[in-house]
Amino acid sequence: KQEVTQIPAALSVPEGENLVLNCSFTDSAIYNLQWFRQDPGKGLTSLLLIQSSQREQTSGRLNASLDKSSGRSTLYIAASQPGDSATYLCAVNGNQFYFGTGTSLTVIP
Amino acid sequence: GAGVSQSPSNKVTEKGKDVELRCDPISGHTALYWYRQSLGQGLEFLIYFQGNSAPDKSGLPSDRFSAERTGGSVSTLTIQRTQQEDSAVYLCASSLASGGAMNIQYFGAGTRLSVL
Repeated sequence: KQEVTQIPAALSVPEGENLVLNCSFTDSAIYNLQWFRQDPGKGLTSLLLIQSSQREQTSGRLNASLDKSSGRSTLYIAASQPGDSATYLCAVNGNQFYFGTGTSLTVIP
Repeated sequence: GAGVSQSPSNKVTEKGKDVELRCDPISGHTALYWYRQSLGQGLEFLIYFQGNSAPDKSGLPSDRFSAERTGGSVSTLTIQRTQQEDSAVYLCASSLASGGAMNIQYFGAGTRLSVL
């Protein structure tokens, strides 16, 4: 069974800092990987989707990379802002979706 | 509608009662998923529907849980004889298709279930 791990579980950074969130998975037979953000009491918002054939995707200040062979993905957030504070989840899409437990990010003004 | 809609947003029930949770997917999305998110846990897959195919029920934790999807659109997740460990946020998602490279899931805001 696919296992998805996210490190760190929680992260606190000052505003303006660049940061990296990590996601690892055990089974490299995936179609794609998706990064989400979840705000307290809210559903999940899709941030980036990387197909298995791609190495990275970019959207604004966000850049996600995928190394399928090593079972790793990173989400890079540039110039962090207090509004980026949320829980970030990665999910791998194989026969079904498997989610990590998330990284709780706090950006301090 | 513009997004995935779930109702109710909050549900408090007594142990042993049955509950029904509703999900309205994005119009035109053929795939619909139910997940459970317990406090401090990741999302746990429960069940998914793809078009008229038989649903994948492999994630349902017990036979007290069931779901149906009428007319390929609205879905209802039913929990019978609720237990305190059923307390969680139940999230619904839909996508244009299931599996494969184009599966981008859009989530509702969830239903927070509290079993007293």
